[in-house]
Amino acid sequence: AQTVTQSQPEMSVQEAETVTLSCTYDTSESDYYLFWYKQPPSRQMILVIRQEAYKQQNATENRFSVNFQKAAKSFSLKISDSQLGDAAMYFCAYRSAGTSGSRLTFGEGTQLTVNP
Amino acid sequence: DVKVTQSSRYLVKRTGEKVFLECVQDMDHENMFWYRQDPGLGLRLIYFSYDVKMKEKGDIPEGYSVSREKKERFSLILESASTNQTSMYLCASRLDGYTEAFFGQGTRLTVV
Repeated sequence: AQTVTQSQPEMSVQEAETVTLSCTYDTSESDYYLFWYKQPPSRQMILVIRQEAYKQQNATENRFSVNFQKAAKSFSLKISDSQLGDAAMYFCAYRSAGTSGSRLTFGEGTQLTVNP
Repeated sequence: DVKVTQSSRYLVKRTGEKVFLECVQDMDHENMFWYRQDPGLGLRLIYFSYDVKMKEKGDIPEGYSVSREKKERFSLILESASTNQTSMYLCASRLDGYTEAFFGQGTRLTVV
């Protein structure tokens, strides 16, 4: 079974600074997807960024980028120019590729605080 | 936009009650999921369904059952609610195994 670990229960960053959230995972599969989800106080889960394991290039979405290290099974999220609206719980998640019923496996979450 | 709607944002129920949590999606998605979210544990999968009348157990199915009689609706049932089922419950749906999942806004259930 796959597992996802987020070792930082809480992180804080100053507005306009950069922060990196860590995530490691364990799997024996070679083809899979990795995700970062954001959950603000409204509780609505929002997909931040997605990475396909077969792609060597790290995914980027505006101020959000990942550092995907397949051999090390590491998938960190970097938030640049942090904004107050980035404050949220962030979840790292794993999913097998292509299987119709495959489920998302989540990490424990990292609560990010952005200080003005 | 895909919409996943959970019937209640907050629920308070008594121990031993039968509880129904409803989830409806409006995009003809095949797959639907129920997760439980607890502090320090992240989201854990209770049950999922990949088609009408089909269901599979997730990681923590004990004390729960599900029903999917129509494609758009996936119900989570607590047969006899207990205090250790006090939690946040999140429903999700997706078109198939290749696409992203969309989540509802969660139901915070308190069992007293």
